[in-house]
Amino acid sequence: EDQVTQSPEALRLQEGESSSLNCSYTVSGLRGLFWYRQDPGKGPEFLFTLYSAGEEKEKERLKATLTKKESFLHITAPKPEDSATYLCAVLDQTGANNLFFGTGTRLTVIP
Amino acid sequence: DAGVIQSPRHEVTEMGQEVTLRCKPISGHDYLFWYRQTMMRGLELLIYFNNNVPIDDSGMPEDRFSAKMPNASFSTLKIQPSEPRDSAVYFCASSLPTSGWRYNEQFFGPGTRLTVL
Repeated sequence: EDQVTQSPEALRLQEGESSSLNCSYTVSGLRGLFWYRQDPGKGPEFLFTLYSAGEEKEKERLKATLTKKESFLHITAPKPEDSATYLCAVLDQTGANNLFFGTGTRLTVIP
Repeated sequence: DAGVIQSPRHEVTEMGQEVTLRCKPISGHDYLFWYRQTMMRGLELLIYFNNNVPIDDSGMPEDRFSAKMPNASFSTLKIQPSEPRDSAVYFCASSLPTSGWRYNEQFFGPGTRLTVL
């Protein structure tokens, strides 16, 4: 069965303290892996799409990387405004609607 | 652009009642998605439309759920009859992917928090 697991569930960082969030997956062929940011009471905000192992994408303090089994979201020198829940989702090759979301990592950046 | 608009933002109803959630996608977007988010199951894709046509509704949990998109600027998700286990936040999203998959560059609405008593 296809699965997406995110770790850790929650992460507290001091402002400026870099770290990484993990998204590991087991799917029957990966079509794409997506990262989103979700603030409390709001809908997810699209960040990145990664298609193949070795691919990297960057946006401000965020950098997403992909291997054959997992993806990392690296946060460099985070600021309090980076506090949010970060979700990953994977699309497999077996069907048109097989988009699986992880349960997210809740990031808190302390000033 | 105002973004994806959903209404109502909050809905409280009693078991057995019909519930209709509404969505206005971003103008020009050709894909529209309905999602459900709960603490237990996380975010789940229910159904998506392309150019107003339902493409895949395999995520719709039961026949009590139905979705329509009568035109490019409006979609509804209906639950009839509603049950307490339907309580969740329902999100609508739209996209006009410039490349790759329809799930690229999705814009989500603020969601409708549904509580079924």
